[in-house]
Amino acid sequence: EAAVTQSPRNKVTVTGGNVTLSCRQTNSHNYMYWYRQDTGHGLRLIHYSYGAGNLQIGDVPDGYKATRTTQEDFFLLLELASPSQTSLYFCASSEADWASYEQYFGPGTRLTVL
Amino acid sequence: GDSVTQTEGLVTLTEGLPVMLNCTYQSTYSPFLFWYVQHLNEAPKLLLKSFTDNKRPEHQGFHATLHKSSSSFHLQKSSAQLSDSALYYCAPTHTGYQNFYFGKGTSLTVIP
Repeated sequence: EAAVTQSPRNKVTVTGGNVTLSCRQTNSHNYMYWYRQDTGHGLRLIHYSYGAGNLQIGDVPDGYKATRTTQEDFFLLLELASPSQTSLYFCASSEADWASYEQYFGPGTRLTVL
Repeated sequence: GDSVTQTEGLVTLTEGLPVMLNCTYQSTYSPFLFWYVQHLNEAPKLLLKSFTDNKRPEHQGFHATLHKSSSSFHLQKSSAQLSDSALYYCAPTHTGYQNFYFGKGTSLTVIP
């Protein structure tokens, strides 16, 4: 089964702070994704990537940067954190197989911006 | 663009009663439909996905039928169990498109 890990699992920062969320997948999946989950909004796509060095913009990218350094590692950067970015963040990965399309999610990172 | 509408908000059912969570979609292309389930304090995971040959997918007692004429992929189960309490997401995608558009989710609570 696909394995996706995230760190840290919990993070508290202050407004204006700098935060990096990390994600690693060990199944050689091509695609990786960052989502935020908020009550009433469901899962919303922030950024995604289809390989090392690639970055695609999702549906709610404002205030977020991302970088895919290797096949395994995908980072989400909040350079000036705001309280509106308090959320539960999930990373996911998938094969580039149109007939499959299953996404495997990590355990999530809960971020609180004070 | 693509969009999806689910049964909104909270659904509370008594154990043993049938489950039906609605999902309708709008897509320019012929989509694949997925249901993901997320239990409390866990990550979302795949529950069901539609087949290209119109077979009805089933898993853990849940099933869903893709009706292209009504653009629907409702999730059903004949008898709810306490362990079915979770957040359920419907998500359409289509060939050549790597992203899902997740609906807002339906929270199902099954009570004794």
